[in-house]
Amino acid sequence: DSGVTQTPKHLITATGQRVTLRCSPRSGDLSVYWYQQSLDQGLQFLIQYYNGEERAKGNILERFSAQQFPDLHSELNLSSLELGDSALYFCASSVGHKGNTGELFFGEGSRLTVL
Amino acid sequence: KNQVEQSPQSLIILEGKNCTLQCNYTVSPFSNLRWYKQDTGRGPVSLTIMTFSENTKSNGRYTATLDADTKQSSLHITASQLSDSASYICVVSAVGSQGNLIFGKGTKLSVKP
Repeated sequence: DSGVTQTPKHLITATGQRVTLRCSPRSGDLSVYWYQQSLDQGLQFLIQYYNGEERAKGNILERFSAQQFPDLHSELNLSSLELGDSALYFCASSVGHKGNTGELFFGEGSRLTVL
Repeated sequence: KNQVEQSPQSLIILEGKNCTLQCNYTVSPFSNLRWYKQDTGRGPVSLTIMTFSENTKSNGRYTATLDADTKQSSLHITASQLSDSASYICVVSAVGSQGNLIFGKGTKLSVKP
């Protein structure tokens, strides 16, 4: 158990809909990262938050957004869903000192299926 | 362009045998290199993290090596077990990358009885 909690574990929805994925980081970790992993593909970095502020942005679509709340949990919002958005979405957390990515601890992922 | 290439893409070995997975990277300036194990449908789990000055690091039956001059790393698995069946992902971090780690596509290892 990594200590990172993601909900929901599975989600099935239709094209055009909007979903929210939630992540609770390990106790004490200030950084949260979101990754997308499509079938048989590598992990693609989406976005990082550090102590409530956006720290880095990767290949995140404009239809996607995220935020980190004062209690450090994070949410990833996916809107106007398309079939190609079907993937595993992972959250990871780290202590995350400025400019230094510490060891990452991954959650078990949220599997999104768009029909 | 920062890239991480892993080989082979997939590998099948018999239980008890050793194997070595390769990782080549072009990330610069280099900060650290990590190996993760990812069971199917599960989150990656860290095996090792190596900085520029570290040549070898072990974690049980897993031994990672790093040659920062040639920008190559390997992960050696000794006396493989069925539970080693997983994808092994090489991840490189650049200095000041602010969390944007560069992930390889992984090597899918299958250990057969």
